[in-house]
Parts: sequence; structure tokens; C-alpha cells
Amino acid sequence: EIVMTQSPATVSVSPGEGVTLSCRASQSIRTSLAWYQQRPGQAPRLLIYGASTRAAGIPARFSGRGSETDFTLTISGLQSEDFALYYCQQYHDWPLTFGGGTKAEIK
Amino acid sequence: QLQLKESGPGLVKPSETLSLTCTVSGDSISSYYWNWIRQPAGKGPEWIGRIFTSGTTFYNPSLKSRVTMSLDMSKNQFFLKLRSVTAADTALYYCARDPGYYDSRSYFDHWGQGMVVTVSS
Repeated sequence: EIVMTQSPATVSVSPGEGVTLSCRASQSIRTSLAWYQQRPGQAPRLLIYGASTRAAGIPARFSGRGSETDFTLTISGLQSEDFALYYCQQYHDWPLTFGGGTKAEIK
Repeated sequence: QLQLKESGPGLVKPSETLSLTCTVSGDSISSYYWNWIRQPAGKGPEWIGRIFTSGTTFYNPSLKSRVTMSLDMSKNQFFLKLRSVTAADTALYYCARDPGYYDSRSYFDHWGQGMVVTVSS
């Protein structure tokens, strides 16, 4: 199966700053990558699919880039509600697999 | 507004069968792919499998020998059964929708709130 590795495990950011999260696939997944946000006590919310397409209702401060094995999620100007866990998920091959997550915490 | 909600026993004994129901409201389950995903405490999610409204299923190979999914169109519900559970099956279980209409996208745009299932005697 394709292993998804996210880094860093935790990132400390001041409100208003930007941050870039990384996700690496163990083999090429082209652009078959989704990003999710998970706030405490809530289900994951789809942010990005196709590596760079924002899902419906997702603010423009969230942007995704990358292809093949290396991907990033950039959040510009973090707001209080953005401090959460972020997961990547590949859907290039079966079984579908997720990364271990990156926690964005308040600095 | 589409909503999904998981239900079932929150405690299952080792070696027994975990059974969960996902009730979908706000839209018909027809023509979509419906998924089960679980998340052990402190870990990333794990995809369990999916079912299309035709009844066609596809499971994670790591769980395939123990999993059965089914659905009831008349009740707008789909189901998960996981047999011979152990402590390693303790997790937060989610049901989720693939947004592809007849055409699977294989990511998830609507999730249930999740339900904790603990395997313990």
C-alpha cells in the first residue's frame, strides 16, 4: 500500500502568520491527493482535492500544491479556527490511505 | 443539508462482532459510494471499505476477511460488520460519503460525527 508521511508532526504558529504543511507519498500518486482539517471533537472536513482544488466553501487562504510524491498545504494568515489537525489522503491506488497528521498549534 | 450519523454499541467484547449503522438524512443514498473509516486514538484515519448503492463492495485488504458492508435503501442506511474483534479494533468509527455521483472520486466530502467503539471484556 502507499504510505503517506506528513511533516512536521506539530507546527507552532502565531495567529495571522502563514504556514506550510508537507505530505509525501511512498510512490507517485500523480495529483490524487486530498487534504482534510480536523478540529477537536469534530469529523474531518474536506479542504482540498486533486492536490490543488479547494472544496466547496473553503476559504482562499487554504492552498494546495504538488504532484507525484511531494505535496504541500499552505494556510495564509492563520485564524483561530485554523488551529487544528490536518491530514492528507491519497486516492491513486487501493487501499486508500491517510497520513499521520500535522497539528497546527498556537505559538 | 446532507447529514450522516453513526449508531450502534459502543462496547464490544473481544472475538465478537462490531455492528454499526450509518443513517443518512437530507438526500437519498442512491447513486453514491458510502464509506466506513476508523481512527484509533492519536493516529491518522484508516479506510475500512465502501459500498455502492447497487450493493457492490470494496474493502481494505487488511480487514477484508472480517468485514461486511450492506445497505437498506428504504431506510437510507448502510451498515458495517466487523467480526472477531480485538483491542486493536478500538477506534472512532466514521461513515462518510464519496462525492462522485455514480462515479467514484475516492475522497470524502461529508462525514458523520463519529462513534467511539471500545473492544473490551
